[in-house]
Amino acid sequence: DTGVSQDPRHKITKRGQNVTFRCDPISEHNRLYWYRQTLGQGPEFLTYFQNEAQLEKSRLLSDRFSAERPKGSFSTLEIQRTEQGDSAMYLCASSLGVVGRPNTEAFFGQGTRLTVV
Amino acid sequence: GQQLNQSPQSMFIQEGEDVSMNCTSSSIFNTWLWYKQDPGEGPVLLIALYKAGELTSNGRLTAQFGITRKDSFLNISASIPSDVGIYFCAGLSGTYKYIFGTGTRLKVLA
Repeated sequence: DTGVSQDPRHKITKRGQNVTFRCDPISEHNRLYWYRQTLGQGPEFLTYFQNEAQLEKSRLLSDRFSAERPKGSFSTLEIQRTEQGDSAMYLCASSLGVVGRPNTEAFFGQGTRLTVV
Repeated sequence: GQQLNQSPQSMFIQEGEDVSMNCTSSSIFNTWLWYKQDPGEGPVLLIALYKAGELTSNGRLTAQFGITRKDSFLNISASIPSDVGIYFCAGLSGTYKYIFGTGTRLKVLA
């Protein structure tokens, strides 16, 4: 399967614990996104990478959140000292950005469902 | 965060009926995407639109990029039970960030 892959699919954690999620984008895609989706809402932008550079972080991303994309390949999203309000679906997407052309389609992974108890 | 307005919020239709939904924004977008999401899964891309006025089809789905560049429309013809799900529009803000709509929940009665 050559789609976007996320791991784990589900995570239950106790409040105050740290969690880390992984995203493997489509191999030739240079752009990678993290979105968060709560029940009944559309996905909300969290952060964007072009290759290994993190070019934008949403104000939704508090200092407890950190994302990396070493070597411009897979990405990780870490949440420190989790709170109940962090419970959500965390979605990763990737796309191929080409200079001089409008952004192409963004493809999503299946998401990681986080439940903080 | 910013979200686009989708209408209707939800709809029940009979199998075989046609469905129309739309997405509106206060901002101009250069690209519109339409996605379908099943419970517990990630959004799946249905159609991409790149030009104002563009009409694009994918099987029974047809989407249009509004002339004002502030709206987009999705039509599903001859609905079937597997069309059930949540449909999201997404507009490209700037050169890379997609802003999503609030979703239209579709339920098809057999």
